[in-house]
Amino acid sequence: AQSVTQPDIHITVSEGASLELRCNYSYGATPYLFWYVQSPGQGLQLLLKYFSGDTLVQGIKGFEAEFKRSQSSFNLRKPSVHWSDAAEYFCAVGAGTASKLTFGTGTRLQVTL
Amino acid sequence: DTGVSQDPRHKITKRGQNVTFRCDPISEHNRLYWYRQTLGQGPEFLTYFQNEAQLEKSRLLSDRFSAERPKGSFSTLEIQRTEQGDSAMYLCASSLGHNNEQFFGPGTRLTVL
Repeated sequence: AQSVTQPDIHITVSEGASLELRCNYSYGATPYLFWYVQSPGQGLQLLLKYFSGDTLVQGIKGFEAEFKRSQSSFNLRKPSVHWSDAAEYFCAVGAGTASKLTFGTGTRLQVTL
Repeated sequence: DTGVSQDPRHKITKRGQNVTFRCDPISEHNRLYWYRQTLGQGPEFLTYFQNEAQLEKSRLLSDRFSAERPKGSFSTLEIQRTEQGDSAMYLCASSLGHNNEQFFGPGTRLTVL
């Protein structure tokens, strides 16, 4: 069965600082990997996805993520955080082109001014 | 493209009552998913449709839960004899056939008193 671990429940960074959110997955084959963001009272918005190919993927809002098969990781990064990035971030793994997503428990990002 | 819509956005009900939620996916998306999200957790998969066929159900989906997608367009999720443990955000997502990029609706927040 697939699973996702997000080790950091809560992270606080200063505006303008760099950000890295950790995600580790467990899946026997090549996974489909996703990062979603959820603002209070809002639905989930897809930031980026990895299916195959280049292991460094670019997403919206200046985010990027790197797939490392050897470490079973898919960490999310942003070079300079903006106050509007404060939200909950979820990593998810899927088994193929048409399957359920398994989500991590999320990381809440707080941005200080 | 108006996105995935869900109705109602909020539902308060008394224990033992039946409730029904509706999801309208992005037009032409053939896959539709239901997830449940409780406070402090990531979304958990409930069930999935391809067109009108229900292809997978989670063990979380007890006999009190039923979902339909009669014409392969909108879907309904019904909970019978609601319990306080059913209080959660119910999320709907849809995707197109060639990838697993799921677009989420804003959710229906259920409170069972």
